[in-house]
Amino acid sequence: DSGVTQTPKHLITATGQRVTLRCSPRSGDLSVYWYQQSLDQGLQFLIQYYNGEERAKGNILERFSAQQFPDLHSELNLSSLELGDSALYFCASSPQKTDTQYFGPGTRLTVL
Amino acid sequence: AQSVSQHNHHVILSEAASLELGCNYSYGGTVNLFWYVQYPGQHLQLLLKYFSGDPLVKGIKGFEAEFIKSKFSFNLRKPSVQWSDTAEYFCAVDKTGANNLFFGTGTRLTVIP
Repeated sequence: DSGVTQTPKHLITATGQRVTLRCSPRSGDLSVYWYQQSLDQGLQFLIQYYNGEERAKGNILERFSAQQFPDLHSELNLSSLELGDSALYFCASSPQKTDTQYFGPGTRLTVL
Repeated sequence: AQSVSQHNHHVILSEAASLELGCNYSYGGTVNLFWYVQYPGQHLQLLLKYFSGDPLVKGIKGFEAEFIKSKFSFNLRKPSVQWSDTAEYFCAVDKTGANNLFFGTGTRLTVIP
C-alpha cells in the first residue's frame, strides 16, 4: 500500500457523459500527478499539481481538467466522454516537485 | 522528443533463470531513471531508482539495474527469478527538474514454476 488512495475503483458510464475521479495523496505530499494507462497508448503523463498550483501538463485532452484543493486532494474531471477514454487512471504523489512518485491503485473507467 | 524504449514485450522464463530487461532512452541531458513493477490487478510499485552516484542500483526483491550513460541504457536484472516475479515491468525516465515521468511500453514477465 503506497498511501495514495483513489476513488472510485471502477466507473462505468456512457459516451458524452462527465465523470470525476478523486485522489488523496500520501500524508505530507504536496505534488499530485495524473496518468492514463490504455492498451494502445501505454502509460502517459497527464498533469501535475504542486501545492494547489498546476505545474506541468502532458498529453491531457482539452475535455479533461484537474485541480488540487487546499487539503491537497485532487480531482480529475473527464467530460464529453468517448469510447477511447476507457482506461486506467492513476494518481501519484511525491513530497516535493521532483521526488520519487508513489502511485495509487487506479480508477478503471469504462465508457460504453 | 524524449522517448523510452523497452524492446522486450513479453519474456517467459523458468524459475531460477536469470533476468535482464532492456531499457533505452533518447534524452541527452541529465535524467533520473526508474523501474516500476505492476503485479496483476495491482498498482505500480517502485522497484528501484537512479538519481546520481553509483550507476549500479539495488532495489527491492533482489532486483538491480545498471545505468550506462554512454549507451543511454538502464537495464533491469535479477540473478534468479521466482514465480512471484510474474508481472509487468516499466522503465521510466524523468528529465531532471521536470518530474514528469515518461514510461516505456512495459515488458510482461511470465515465470513458469
